[in-house]
Formats: sequence, structure tokens, C-alpha cells
Amino acid sequence: EDQVTQSPEALRLQEGESSSLNCSYTVSGLRGLFWYRQDPGKGPEFLFTLYSAGEEKEKERLKATLTKKESFLHITAPKPEDSATYLCAVNILTGGGNKLTFGTGTQLKVEL
Amino acid sequence: DGGITQSPKYLFRKEGQNVTLSCEQNLNHDAMYWYRQDPGQGLRLIYYSQIVNDFQKGDIAEGYSVSREKKESFPLTVTSAQKNPTAFYLCASSRKTADSNQPQHFGDGTRLSIL
Repeated sequence: EDQVTQSPEALRLQEGESSSLNCSYTVSGLRGLFWYRQDPGKGPEFLFTLYSAGEEKEKERLKATLTKKESFLHITAPKPEDSATYLCAVNILTGGGNKLTFGTGTQLKVEL
Repeated sequence: DGGITQSPKYLFRKEGQNVTLSCEQNLNHDAMYWYRQDPGQGLRLIYYSQIVNDFQKGDIAEGYSVSREKKESFPLTVTSAQKNPTAFYLCASSRKTADSNQPQHFGDGTRLSIL
């Protein structure tokens, strides 16, 4: 069965304290991995797409990396406005077309 | 600005009642999706549509119905057969390209509760 697991479930950081979020997956036919940010009461906001092992993408304080079994979202010198839930999703080719399977997310809180 | 509009933001359903959630996009995207989000669970796919007048069941389609009469619109009806409808419902859309590996873009959701 295709599975996506995110860890930790929750993370509390001090402002400026860098860390990484993990997304591990066991799927067949991976076609891409997506990272999203979700604020309370809002829909997920697209951050990155990663297609192949070794690929990296950056946006401001965020950098996403991908290996054959997992992806990391590195947060460098975070600020309070980075507080949100971060979701990863894998895109799998099925008989019915492409399908996204989501992890349960990491809830990040950045404090002053 | 282009985007996805979901309405209403909050919705209450009485027992035995059907309710319809609206989703409209002006991104000129071909594909549209409905997800359900519950606390502690990942987003789960209810229905999706890759073209007008065609749609497919997702992982949890029982108790739900959809239509796709226009490219811009993909309404979701939560029927009385859905016994646990309380959740946050998210609509998404994406471009349909040859490799179909485009990111999905989401609306801001509708929170449905039972009276």
C-alpha cells in the first residue's frame, strides 16, 4: 500500500533556530513530490515540486530535497511568520491517472 | 487575480439534508478535485474531473456526488447517505499537460458541520 509519513507531527523552534522536516514515502510509480504550506482555516499553498532523487528547490528560508525514499524541507533561520502546517504529497501514476497521496503534516511553531 | 473560490466558508447541515458546496476557478485549469480534511489525517480524495462532463471517484466517494458541466465549476453535493460529513472540504485545480505532473492549487475551503 502506498504510504506517506511526515515527522515530526509538531515542532517548536525559536526564531533563527534552523531545522528540517521529513517526508518519507513507500510508493510505486512515483512521478513527483509536492510540498505545501497550510495556515489555519486556509487551503494549502503550493511551495515546491521535486521530480527526481538529488533534486533541490529553494524559496526564501525554505529548501526542499529529495532522495529515493524521502524528502526534507529545511528551514533556515525561521521567523514567526513561517509558523504553519507543512504538507507533503506524492504524485502516483494509477490506472485512473495521476493521484496525490498526502501525509498528515508537520505543525511548525516559531517563537520569538 | 486568478484563483479558486469556494463558498460558503461555513455550512451547517441538518440530519437527512443534502447540501452543495461550490467551487469556481478562473485559472483555465482542466482538472479539478475535491478533498476532505479531518484532524490528524491527510487530505483524502473524494472525486476528481479531468475534463468537462467527466469525473471519477476518489478514495472516499460514498455519500458524495459531483457534476462538471462547465470548465470553471465543480460543485460537490454531500448527501444524507454520508453519515459523518463534518469536515473541512477543499477544492483544487491543476493544469492538464502531457505528463500530468502539475501541482494542484487549492481554494480556502468550506467547513461543514452537523446541526
